[in-house]
Amino acid sequence: AQSVTQLGSHVSVSEGALVLLRCNYSSSVPPYLFWYVQYPNQGLQLLLKYTTGATLVKGINGFEAEFKKSETSFHLTKPSAHMSDAAEYFCAVSAFNTGTASKLTFGTGTRLQVTL
Amino acid sequence: DAGVIQSPRHEVTEMGQEVTLRCKPISGHNSLFWYRQTMMRGLELLIYFNNNVPIDDSGMPEDRFSAKMPNASFSTLKIQPSEPRDSAVYFCASANRVSGANVLTFGAGSRLTVL
Repeated sequence: AQSVTQLGSHVSVSEGALVLLRCNYSSSVPPYLFWYVQYPNQGLQLLLKYTTGATLVKGINGFEAEFKKSETSFHLTKPSAHMSDAAEYFCAVSAFNTGTASKLTFGTGTRLQVTL
Repeated sequence: DAGVIQSPRHEVTEMGQEVTLRCKPISGHNSLFWYRQTMMRGLELLIYFNNNVPIDDSGMPEDRFSAKMPNASFSTLKIQPSEPRDSAVYFCASANRVSGANVLTFGAGSRLTVL
């Protein structure tokens, strides 16, 4: 079984400050890891993903995440927050796929608030 | 591409009524997922299909819920009879092996309110 734990249901940062959203995973097999973002009244959009290879992955809107196997973590960061980053962020894990999809298990989400 | 298309976007119904939610995946995608989102339980996977075949329906809450995928371009999620606790946003998502089989593209969701 696979699971993710997102630490902090709400995070508030000032505009221009560092954004750090925490995600720890549990998986009995090598994981695929994802961050998705959800804006109000919309579906989820992929920010970035880790499958294999480079452990630091860059995504859209200046976000990046680092896969740390020893810490079972996949934290999301952005050097400088912008007001438009206010949204809910979901970490997700899945198992290796053989060409068809296997299920994604999502964390409970972290709501990011950006203040002036 | 128009993306994943869900209908209706909003549905208000009374307890005991049948509800049918519809999804059109992205053309060429061979996997389709139904998720439910509530404040209390977050995002829950209800069922997913690969190549129109149900693979895992362990998340379907009870027999009142059923899902079908008669062809590669259409899926339905049906609740009969509906109950107030079914109120949630229901998302459909699709994926394909070319773009990365586990990269899901989500629809905008169907917000269901059962009175």
